[in-house]
Amino acid sequence: AQTIHQWPVAEIKAVGSPLSLGCTIKGKSSPNLYWYWQATGGTLQQLFYSITVGQVESVVQLNLSASRPKDDQFILSTEKLLLSHSGFYLCAWSPGLGGGEQYFGPGTRLTVL
Amino acid sequence: QQQVRQSPQSLTVWEGETAILNCSYEDSTFDYFPWYHQFPGESPALLIAIRPVSNKKEDGRFTIFFNKREKKFSLHIADSQPGDSATYFCAASPGGNYKPTFGKGTSLVVHP
Repeated sequence: AQTIHQWPVAEIKAVGSPLSLGCTIKGKSSPNLYWYWQATGGTLQQLFYSITVGQVESVVQLNLSASRPKDDQFILSTEKLLLSHSGFYLCAWSPGLGGGEQYFGPGTRLTVL
Repeated sequence: QQQVRQSPQSLTVWEGETAILNCSYEDSTFDYFPWYHQFPGESPALLIAIRPVSNKKEDGRFTIFFNKREKKFSLHIADSQPGDSATYFCAASPGGNYKPTFGKGTSLVVHP
């Protein structure tokens, strides 16, 4: 069975500080990987997706970047956090071609002060 | 980005009733329509999904009705239970596309 792990579980960071969030999926080779952001009480906004190692596509510009250094790993980062970056960050994966069904990780709750 | 409109924003039903959540879309290239539910403090989870080759998909108490001509699809939750109380998101994506569009969500409360 596939498992998806995100780290850290929660973060409290200062405005202007750097950030790195991670996601690892086990039990599935060559998954499609996604990063989403969700404001409290809000909908899901896709940030990035990656269908193979080393290739990441940006969906919206939020002063964030993403990388896929390994087949099973997806990293979200920024050098300088903004207040607007606060929210719930979700990593997801999907099998096969196209988006199809997506399976979400447990998420990282980020508070920027 | 193409829109997916979801209604109502919030819905309250009594235990045992059927809850009906609605979505509509614009892009005729969309060919995959999932519903996710999200409990407070948790991440979304795939509940049920349909492709346009069918106009109905059932999974236990959950049924998707799909109307391709009107570009609408709905989730019916039969015999609603208090444990169904959650936020439900519909989504839509084109074939071979990795950018699904999500609705704004419906907050469902089931009273015992």
